[in-house]
Amino acid sequence: GEDVEQSLFLSVREGDSSVINCTYTDSSSTYLYWYKQEPGAGLQLLTYIFSNMDMKQDQRLTVLLNKKDKHLSLRIADTQTGDSAIYFCAESIRGSQGNLIFGKGTKLSVKP
Amino acid sequence: DVKVTQSSRYLVKRTGEKVFLECVQDMDHENMFWYRQDPGLGLRLIYFSYDVKMKEKGDIPEGYSVSREKKERFSLILESASTNQTSMYLCASRSGSLETQYFGPGTRLLVL
Repeated sequence: GEDVEQSLFLSVREGDSSVINCTYTDSSSTYLYWYKQEPGAGLQLLTYIFSNMDMKQDQRLTVLLNKKDKHLSLRIADTQTGDSAIYFCAESIRGSQGNLIFGKGTKLSVKP
Repeated sequence: DVKVTQSSRYLVKRTGEKVFLECVQDMDHENMFWYRQDPGLGLRLIYFSYDVKMKEKGDIPEGYSVSREKKERFSLILESASTNQTSMYLCASRSGSLETQYFGPGTRLLVL
């Protein structure tokens, strides 16, 4: 079945770049998403990429998609303490009635 | 902006009680979802609905039911709460023409 894998933890220093990686198994993904969850809150959509794109940039965020390797990454430039959160990768599968398959989330800790 | 609200941020209930979790969205979205989130397990889909009075089981429907009498409101019901239903519950909605899901702030339920 479909599966989305992420590493569970990432620690970086303030001002450095963070790269959060995700792998997925279903090649019929239509969209891939990154969500951010701050402590005690719901999930906030950060960005998404359509499956026929390789890259998407939005201010400090860069999403890279390697369809051949089924690998998605989120790069956060100039990471700030306010970026500390859990980041979820998710894929939308064609014909799944809009259901998303989520990874377990990567907890990003930003040290001052 | 899409707004998804959940009736409570925190709930404490006793084993055996009937529990209602309410979710309301203001964007006329067709699809609505209920997830639970547990440490180390990520998000797991309980139920979803793609139209009024329609419902589909997700990955872990046991012990839960849902109600969708109006398009904007999707209720999750725990018929007889048990301690293993202590969790964070997240509601989401999605337009039929878009893939993106928008999440509410979550309800943290403690069953004693």
